[in-house]
Amino acid sequence: NAGVTQTPKFQVLKTGQSMTLQCAQDMNHNSMYWYRQDPGMGLRLIYYSASEGTTDKGEVPNGYNVSRLNKREFSLRLESAAPSQTSVYFCASSESLGGNTIYFGEGSWLTVV
Amino acid sequence: SQQGEEDPQALSIQEGENATMNCSYKTSINNLQWYRQNSGRGLVHLILIRSNEREKHSGRLRVTLDTSKKSSSLLITASRAADTASYFCATGAKASAGSYQLTFGKGTKLSVIP
Repeated sequence: NAGVTQTPKFQVLKTGQSMTLQCAQDMNHNSMYWYRQDPGMGLRLIYYSASEGTTDKGEVPNGYNVSRLNKREFSLRLESAAPSQTSVYFCASSESLGGNTIYFGEGSWLTVV
Repeated sequence: SQQGEEDPQALSIQEGENATMNCSYKTSINNLQWYRQNSGRGLVHLILIRSNEREKHSGRLRVTLDTSKKSSSLLITASRAADTASYFCATGAKASAGSYQLTFGKGTKLSVIP
């Protein structure tokens, strides 16, 4: 019963470096999400995937790309990291869009120096 | 833009007391959810209330929804030290072209003192 698993847990990047956050869920969910959480800002949606093969922008997509590799996996890529992307990133999944419980991973702490 | 706004931002109570947190939002919603986050952890779903419901219970949790006032409250009765966490409301609404969006507030930080 792993639920939503995301890696890495912690990462320090230099400005301009790239990296990919990996996420996998084992609940056979159709929809997956990437959020970022900043102090005093709550959670903001970066990108989501309603179902395998589709991705859509959320509230703060600039500077990020995503790939829905298959039904289980949804990765988030920072092509050229900036200090403003220092944040805690959460992957999440739900059975489908629309009024379902969302299950979250444990978070990835990213620092860009 | 954030839809739900929790109030208060922080709340400190004694163990055994009740804790009430409020959430206000601006536009029509399909449902409202409450989540809990322990320090350094992911969010955990507590309860979902649909727009046509007024009250739901789950154990020591009671959630109300007043769509006319665009507000919701989360009541935790007989609080325990283990209830210490941040609590977030999230409003779910239809977005463009049949999509759906869940928008989180900034949270209420609850401290329960033993």
